[in-house]
Amino acid sequence: SQQGEEDPQALSIQEGENATMNCSYKTSINNLQWYRQNSGRGLVHLILIRSNEREKHSGRLRVTLDTSKKSSSLLITASRAADTASYFCATDVGGGSEKLVFGKGTKLTVNP
Amino acid sequence: EAQVTQNPRYLITVTGKKLTVTCSQNMNHEYMSWYRQDPGLGLRQIYYSMNVEVTDKGDVPEGYKVSRKEKRNFPLILESPSPNQTSLYFCASSFWQTSTDTQYFGPGTRLTVL
Repeated sequence: SQQGEEDPQALSIQEGENATMNCSYKTSINNLQWYRQNSGRGLVHLILIRSNEREKHSGRLRVTLDTSKKSSSLLITASRAADTASYFCATDVGGGSEKLVFGKGTKLTVNP
Repeated sequence: EAQVTQNPRYLITVTGKKLTVTCSQNMNHEYMSWYRQDPGLGLRQIYYSMNVEVTDKGDVPEGYKVSRKEKRNFPLILESPSPNQTSLYFCASSFWQTSTDTQYFGPGTRLTVL
């Protein structure tokens, strides 16, 4: 079953613009992570936000978490062509399980 | 260099011919996982391991086996591959729990089963 689902499925913007991707999930979580994947390559961890945190920053990345709405957003500011990639959220399923469930991803294209 | 390696990177095989995809990490990580990635379905966890000799099923374990005899290695075994196992496979490792710690991914193995 799909725990996290990203929205939109695809996003195309111009260099310099901000990109916002959303992730919704179904069950209570302990943590939510965002990963990036360049085409056909391994995923790279971007940021982890815990359920008791509301916002986290890392460089040009800003992640928010709203546990009441079971949603998270990833904002990339001042985007660059090199940010072109797919972005995935991943959540645990709670209850001490080791399972990590990924969404289907948002494919971001940043046009130069 | 800290990394997760997978071999082979590309494999074309035929139905029923047993194969093994190796995964090795040099970071002394406790936790290791295997995922498959399919268009429209995202990444799905196949198996995970919390330590040597400790493995458990993920969301899509059918048709796969794993073993964890050494901390650094976590091979994925397909005893009798079928075409529906054609996919892109990723191995990942983390120091602590998969769900609470950064996972480091290998470069992927693209498998085609004819």
